[in-house]
Amino acid sequence: AQKVTQAQTEISVVEKEDVTLDCVYETRDTTYYLFWYKQPPSGELVFLIRRNSFDEQNEISGRYSWNFQKSTSSFNFTITASQVVDSAVYFCALRISGGYNKLIFGAGTRLAVHP
Amino acid sequence: DGGITQSPKYLFRKEGQNVTLSCEQNLNHDAMYWYRQDPGQGLRLIYYSQIVNDFQKGDIAEGYSVSREKKESFPLTVTSAQKNPTAFYLCASSGGRGIQFFGPGTRLTVL
Repeated sequence: AQKVTQAQTEISVVEKEDVTLDCVYETRDTTYYLFWYKQPPSGELVFLIRRNSFDEQNEISGRYSWNFQKSTSSFNFTITASQVVDSAVYFCALRISGGYNKLIFGAGTRLAVHP
Repeated sequence: DGGITQSPKYLFRKEGQNVTLSCEQNLNHDAMYWYRQDPGQGLRLIYYSQIVNDFQKGDIAEGYSVSREKKESFPLTVTSAQKNPTAFYLCASSGGRGIQFFGPGTRLTVL
């Protein structure tokens, strides 16, 4: 069975704090893809990153970084020096290879960054 | 600008009515999807289409119907058979890289 767990329902931080959003996935497939999306209050999901199961290199994009560890089936997302504009719901998603590109979403983590 | 548009942004339905949500994309993507989002939950797949004139049921297709007569368009009809239709509906499309891009969503409320 495929599953994505985001155990943190809500996180509240003060601006400039670093924050890590956890994502744990389950799949028996050896080829799969992991995604992070941001959903600001407007509602539209914004694509942030895609990683495939063969690439465990960490990635950094500005204040965002992602840590992919197959040994623990985790794909965690860190925001450094958080800003109020980072306030949103963040979703982690899993896609197995083949089929129709079906995404399996976690329940999301609501991040509130306070000034 | 390339992107996905959904209309209307807000929709109100009376009990027993069918309503249709529009989704249009100009990204030249073959695949399109409809998701439902309930408060505090992740997205659940309703229907998807990999190519024109073909579509498949997702995880929660009961009470919904779709059509895919044009590559750019994938309308979703919420029928009276859907017992709890109040939700936020998101349309997405994907191209060769398999990354799904989303529209702004339609919020449906049953009166």
